[in-house]
Amino acid sequence: DQQVKQNSPSLSVQEGRISILNCDYTNSMFDYFLWYKKYPAEGPTFLISISSIKDKNEDGRFTVFLNKSAKHLSLHIVPSQPGDSAVYFCAASRYGGSSNTGKLIFGQGTTLQVKP
Amino acid sequence: NAGVTQTPKFRVLKTGQSMTLLCAQDMNHEYMYWYRQDPGMGLRLIHYSVGEGTTAKGEVPDGYNVSRLKKQNFLLGLESAAPSQTSVYFCASTPGETQYFGPGTRLLVL
Repeated sequence: DQQVKQNSPSLSVQEGRISILNCDYTNSMFDYFLWYKKYPAEGPTFLISISSIKDKNEDGRFTVFLNKSAKHLSLHIVPSQPGDSAVYFCAASRYGGSSNTGKLIFGQGTTLQVKP
Repeated sequence: NAGVTQTPKFRVLKTGQSMTLLCAQDMNHEYMYWYRQDPGMGLRLIHYSVGEGTTAKGEVPDGYNVSRLKKQNFLLGLESAAPSQTSVYFCASTPGETQYFGPGTRLLVL
């Protein structure tokens, strides 16, 4: 059972336009969500996160939106740059639980290509 | 401050051989994790540790063992490698929320 899903394996956008990456989850107990970016032959690097008490978090060109009722989050990149071309993973966790282990559940990833 | 390092970077094994992957972190993090990444599957948790001397199973633990004898090190062992264990293995550590990943170990089992 895939608790975190990224239904779009790939996305291609033009430089300067907006990139929107989507992620859905099924477990209503998740209370913390993260986006990671991964370049080939490197480990994932943390990009941005959001707690379930918020519905939006911004960091420069990156904004994450959380819709708890729809169990959906999205990552917006504006404006997109060629250097943003990478695989993006969303992840979810239950940090508020009494037995917090810090475990993350990852989606399958979306490959973003930003064309010059 | 090297962050999370992994040894080796690449390894080729024959079926039935054994090996140990080493993960080291210098950030004094309590929690450490081993993942494998396969095409179209995202990152799947193999084993994890919430502190020195403790380990627990993740989503896909079969065929792997781990040890956390020192806080800074987390070892992943394959006792008898199988072709299904061909993958890229990532180690991560965290003080509580955001996980920090190593560069990965690419393993090919023939």
